[in-house]
Amino acid sequence: QSVLTQPPSVSGAPGQSVTISCTGTRSNLGAGYDVHWYQQLPGTAPKVLIYSNRYRPSTVPDRFSGSKSGTSASLAITGLQAEDEADYYCQSSDSSRSNVIFGGGTKLTVL
Amino acid sequence: QVQLVESGGGVVQPGTSLRLSCAASGFTFNMYAIHWVRQAPGRGLEWVALTSDDGSNKNYADSVKGRFTISRDNSRNTVFLQMNSLRVEDTAVYYCARANVVTYAFDIWGRGTMVTVSS
Repeated sequence: QSVLTQPPSVSGAPGQSVTISCTGTRSNLGAGYDVHWYQQLPGTAPKVLIYSNRYRPSTVPDRFSGSKSGTSASLAITGLQAEDEADYYCQSSDSSRSNVIFGGGTKLTVL
Repeated sequence: QVQLVESGGGVVQPGTSLRLSCAASGFTFNMYAIHWVRQAPGRGLEWVALTSDDGSNKNYADSVKGRFTISRDNSRNTVFLQMNSLRVEDTAVYYCARANVVTYAFDIWGRGTMVTVSS
């Protein structure tokens, strides 16, 4: 059971938009800790997609965006492409646990 | 080229030990905290341990506390994960990751090394 809750799967057709939610509690997202998002393509290591809630590394397309409000965060992907098919993880910190926490991951399927 | 390269994985029996290494290159190693993150087959990411930039601060997930020890040698640009009393449930790909000094996001990841604990 992950501390941050994500939907196990989402799907969308090419060109459509999807949103992946990440729900936390008052001891993590609600305590003001930033959320980061990672994309893990099949058979590869994760890579950072969004950091500090809403910022994109220069190499990440602007089709990806992040937001955070209270105890929840979201990753939005517009103009879905086949290459977006991957697992997506949110990550933050928690004041009542060891240190770093991850969401359970969401598998994005591009139909 | 900024990179992290893990090594030391393998197949071991329950109750035995293994030491993983994470070799860094292309950046000023002693400025960064390094974390270990693992991923069991078909499962999600699980944070394992961290060492601060100078090695003075270390922290562990409850699932490995007392069994795993993280350390670093800044003269060799390497972080280690000593894993003792290994259990079947420790079977996973182990990644090391660099924490950005400003955002704390994991901005550089290694490719991972596989650890299989099986009798």
